[in-house]
Amino acid sequence: GENVEQHPSTLSVQEGDSAVIKCTYSDSASNYFPWYKQELGKRPQLIIDIRSNVGEKKDQRIAVTLNKTAKHFSLHITETQPEDSAVYFCAAIFNAGGTSYGKLTFGQGTILTVHP
Amino acid sequence: DTEVTQTPKHLVMGMTNKKSLKCEQHMGHRAMYWYKQKAKKPPELMFVYSYEKLSINESVPSRFSPECPNSSLLNLHLHALQPEDSALYLCASSQDGHGNQPQHFGDGTRLSIL
Repeated sequence: GENVEQHPSTLSVQEGDSAVIKCTYSDSASNYFPWYKQELGKRPQLIIDIRSNVGEKKDQRIAVTLNKTAKHFSLHITETQPEDSAVYFCAAIFNAGGTSYGKLTFGQGTILTVHP
Repeated sequence: DTEVTQTPKHLVMGMTNKKSLKCEQHMGHRAMYWYKQKAKKPPELMFVYSYEKLSINESVPSRFSPECPNSSLLNLHLHALQPEDSALYLCASSQDGHGNQPQHFGDGTRLSIL
């Protein structure tokens, strides 16, 4: 079945530094990769996503890169702020045999702490 | 502001009770999802409805029974739950069930089984 590995499990940075979270996926047919931010006690919030026909996407301080050959994708946060502190989940969509499914498989999450 | 609304926000029930979780969206999305999330873990997919038809059941025990009355509503009926079923239950929706559309989550129902 589909598997998504996420590293690191915890990440601590100083305000203003950059943060990078990496994920690898097992299904070469996966074609959609969202990233979610979840603050304590709140819902997962979609912050950026990328499709397999694109190698990089940027939205202000957040960027995502995708390497289809290596089957890995990464989240980059620049100029981190204390309010960026949260759990970040990567995910991949599993598609089987040409039939599309909405099965979103998540990585185990990264606890990001930004120190003022 | 979340565009996916879940009720109730909190629910405490005994193992013999019957209760229902409700989810509503008015974004015109045609795919809706139930996820279960334990503390410090990622959401785990339970069910997917696409165009009001059940398209994925991730081998969920029959004590959880989903229902999609129309394209805007999704229910999860609960009966004879176990203490290990205590978790945050998240509903999500996406434009369609084709798998490469963003899924938007509600705030969840925090369920406690006594």
